[in-house]
Amino acid sequence: GESVGLHLPTLSVQEGDNSIINCAYSNSASDYFIWYKQESGKGPQFIIDIRSNMDKRQGQRVTVLLNKTVKHLSLQIAATQPGDSAVYFCAENKGGSQGNLIFGKGTKLSVKP
Amino acid sequence: DVKVTQSSRYLVKRTGEKVFLECVQDMDHENMFWYRQDPGLGLRLIYFSYDVKMKEKGDIPEGYSVSREKKERFSLILESASTNQTSMYLCASSLGGSRADTQYFGPGTRLTVL
Repeated sequence: GESVGLHLPTLSVQEGDNSIINCAYSNSASDYFIWYKQESGKGPQFIIDIRSNMDKRQGQRVTVLLNKTVKHLSLQIAATQPGDSAVYFCAENKGGSQGNLIFGKGTKLSVKP
Repeated sequence: DVKVTQSSRYLVKRTGEKVFLECVQDMDHENMFWYRQDPGLGLRLIYFSYDVKMKEKGDIPEGYSVSREKKERFSLILESASTNQTSMYLCASSLGGSRADTQYFGPGTRLTVL
């Protein structure tokens, strides 16, 4: 979920388990959502996106689920690996303003070997 | 693959100096963005541009200016650096048009103002 204060929510999983990272978005008119992965000291990296006309989208080892009723987005990572350790954050479009996005503050995923 | 590059990974400047951060993208994207990222505050939009010579203020433009003379290049300028501008600066670009699209980020510049 979203961060509070200076501390990011942390999710700790065992290598090989599935991970689920959640995000609550703010704008019911948003029609485009993205998940990013950010490793320490690096820029955010695109993982997967979804438009509001879909409920689910799958990539390689990742699935994004969109529940528009409760304004909730989740990222599922299958068979989590140590290389998946990073901060993950969601973004939603700001609605008709040249592609501007609103970013969540992120969740830190730690994978234990 | 989209490639967004930033001129420096690390910069150390003194208070009052003029600082230039450069960003270049190679995918002919219309939109370019500058963010700063601070612990607990996430990504905050400083300025963005959706065309050459066009610029729009983001959420926190005070103390910054930008320049976009060429489509592929978007520069962030700190006219007189201050210690509260110590941060990670991230540049991004996206395809363009009114439809929201993925923003692709550069590696970031960690700026320290002493």
